Amino acid sequence: AQTVTQSQPEMSVQEAETVTLSCTYDTSENNYYLFWYKQPPSRQMILVIRQEAYKQQNATENRFSVNFQKAAKSFSLKISDSQLGDTAMYFCAFMKRGAQKLVFGQGTRLTINP
Amino acid sequence: SQTIHQWPATLVQPVGSPLSLECTVEGTSNPNLYWYRQAAGRGLQLLFYSVGIGQISSEVPQNLSASRPQDRQFILSSKKLLLSDSGFYLCAWSLAGDNYEQYFGPGTRLTVT
Repeated sequence: AQTVTQSQPEMSVQEAETVTLSCTYDTSENNYYLFWYKQPPSRQMILVIRQEAYKQQNATENRFSVNFQKAAKSFSLKISDSQLGDTAMYFCAFMKRGAQKLVFGQGTRLTINP
Repeated sequence: SQTIHQWPATLVQPVGSPLSLECTVEGTSNPNLYWYRQAAGRGLQLLFYSVGIGQISSEVPQNLSASRPQDRQFILSSKKLLLSDSGFYLCAWSLAGDNYEQYFGPGTRLTVT
């Protein structure tokens, strides 16, 4: 079974700083997808970024980028020029190709301070 | 564009009472549909998913059940709620086929007393 581990329960940075959230996963699969979701205080889950395991190039979405290290089974999220609206819980998630199930980590609570 | 609705937004129910949570998706056809539960301070756990009308797969055996009576409607039910059923329930959808991005609804906060 796949597991996803987020080792940082909470993080706090100043506005405009860059912050990196860590995620590691355990799987014997070779084809899979990785995701970062954001859950603001409203509690609606919002997809931030996705990475296909077969792609070597790291995914980027505006201020959000990932560092995908397949051999190390690591998938970190970097938020550049952090904004107050980035304050949220961030969840890393794994999905085996062809499956329907998203396996989530426990989340990292990120606070951006003014 | 696609939108997903869930209701009610909050619900307080006594132990032993029935439950019905509804989820509907607009703007797409034949979506995959999902029910997740999030316990306080924890990640999400997949409960059920459906790839078509009447097709339900269960991930976690429990006293909950799901049904998909229409293409874009997904219902989560229970005949008798337990205290442990309290949590935040999220419905999600994805396009059918080889597209794995799941989009979530606003959720229902259920408190069983």
